[in-house]
Amino acid sequence: NAGVTQTPKFQVLKTGQSMTLQCAQDMNHEYMSWYRQDPGMGLRLIHYSVGAGITDQGEVPNGYNVSRSTTEDFPLRLLSAAPSQTSVYFCASSYRARHQPQHFGDGTRLSIL
Amino acid sequence: QQQVKQSPQSLIVQKGGISIINCAYENTAFDYFPWYQQFPGKGPALLIAIRPDVSEKKEGRFTISFNKSAKQFSLHIMDSQPGDSATYFCAARIVGGGSQGNLIFGKGTKLSVKP
Repeated sequence: NAGVTQTPKFQVLKTGQSMTLQCAQDMNHEYMSWYRQDPGMGLRLIHYSVGAGITDQGEVPNGYNVSRSTTEDFPLRLLSAAPSQTSVYFCASSYRARHQPQHFGDGTRLSIL
Repeated sequence: QQQVKQSPQSLIVQKGGISIINCAYENTAFDYFPWYQQFPGKGPALLIAIRPDVSEKKEGRFTISFNKSAKQFSLHIMDSQPGDSATYFCAARIVGGGSQGNLIFGKGTKLSVKP
């Protein structure tokens, strides 16, 4: 049982480049979310989805896009990377929005030069 | 802006001692208060959680104390061990509204337990 799988684990980008962070879960969870973790800032919600075809913005959505075409996958897109988006990104899922716990992936460490 | 304030930022405890991490919230629209534990290079994992109708919950060496009137809750780690060295996050789950079910996290406490 893989749980929540994030790829890649590490990535270095140049300013202005685009990329997609992948997230997949095999637990048939309806709720999926993306967080960014910065030193001294904790975890901040970027976007979330309560089911296939439904997405919404979290606390810090600017510069990021998401889509949810299937229950299993929830990719996060950076359209034009900026140094301020250097961070560790975590994807999480739970059975429903109000169900706990949220299961987290091991993160993608992204550096933007 | 709904907030969860966590303190201290870092904590050093001797093996066998008690680790105490505190959190306070500013909005009553929360219905569930989990604590997550994170080891370096890994994602956070649920450690223990409490609902606001309970004042204390204990699981092994880990205890949450909850004070609803003061809007405060804390994590106590008894007989702290070097293996407990990690970053701990408190969180609060939003109830009601469009953000229902989303978690608001504290900024984290890095715990180091010295042998």
